[in-house]
Amino acid sequence: DQQVKQNSPSLSVQEGRISILNCDYTNSMFDYFLWYKKYPAEGPTFLISISSIKDKNEDGRFTVFLNKSAKHLSLHIVPSQPGDSAVYFCAAPLGQNFVFGPGTRLSVLP
Amino acid sequence: DAGVIQSPRHEVTEMGQEVTLRCKPISGHDYLFWYRQTMMRGLELLIYFNNNVPIDDSGMPEDRFSAKMPNASFSTLKIQPSEPRDSAVYFCASSSSSDTQYFGPGTRLTVL
Repeated sequence: DQQVKQNSPSLSVQEGRISILNCDYTNSMFDYFLWYKKYPAEGPTFLISISSIKDKNEDGRFTVFLNKSAKHLSLHIVPSQPGDSAVYFCAAPLGQNFVFGPGTRLSVLP
Repeated sequence: DAGVIQSPRHEVTEMGQEVTLRCKPISGHDYLFWYRQTMMRGLELLIYFNNNVPIDDSGMPEDRFSAKMPNASFSTLKIQPSEPRDSAVYFCASSSSSDTQYFGPGTRLTVL
């Protein structure tokens, strides 16, 4: 059973517009969430995180929102840039390990 | 620091051959993780080590897979014998306690 779900395998957005990537989780014990970004032929790199005591965390163009009651979080990128085109993974710690979602491929069109 | 280093970056082998993937974690990190990425299953944890000791290997698919960490700066993931369904990208990641994981560039394995 997938504990972290990303139901959209892909997303296309026009440059300058907002990108919204969604993530749902089933384990209510998760208290911390991370987003990783992955370019082709590279490993995932950490992008932004949020603790369950917050409902929003912002870092430049990237904002993560957390809705604990809905067990849902989202990553907003605004404005989107072509260099943001990548696969985005949502993840949550489970012990010392991380449980990753299957990823969403974002394409930002110029 | 050079980050997590993996070798080789690409490996093409024939079914039945032994494959060894290598990883050098970031210096000072005491956790090391091996992941496999496939289109069907996304990123799957295979095994992780803490202070060179395997802690959880429940993700290792079968006995054909084995992993070792003889010292703090080196780990191997071995597949023997390899099968076409093992074709995937294998990532190594490292972290220090309660910190995010840092991933290597991955090894793309193709088993013919």
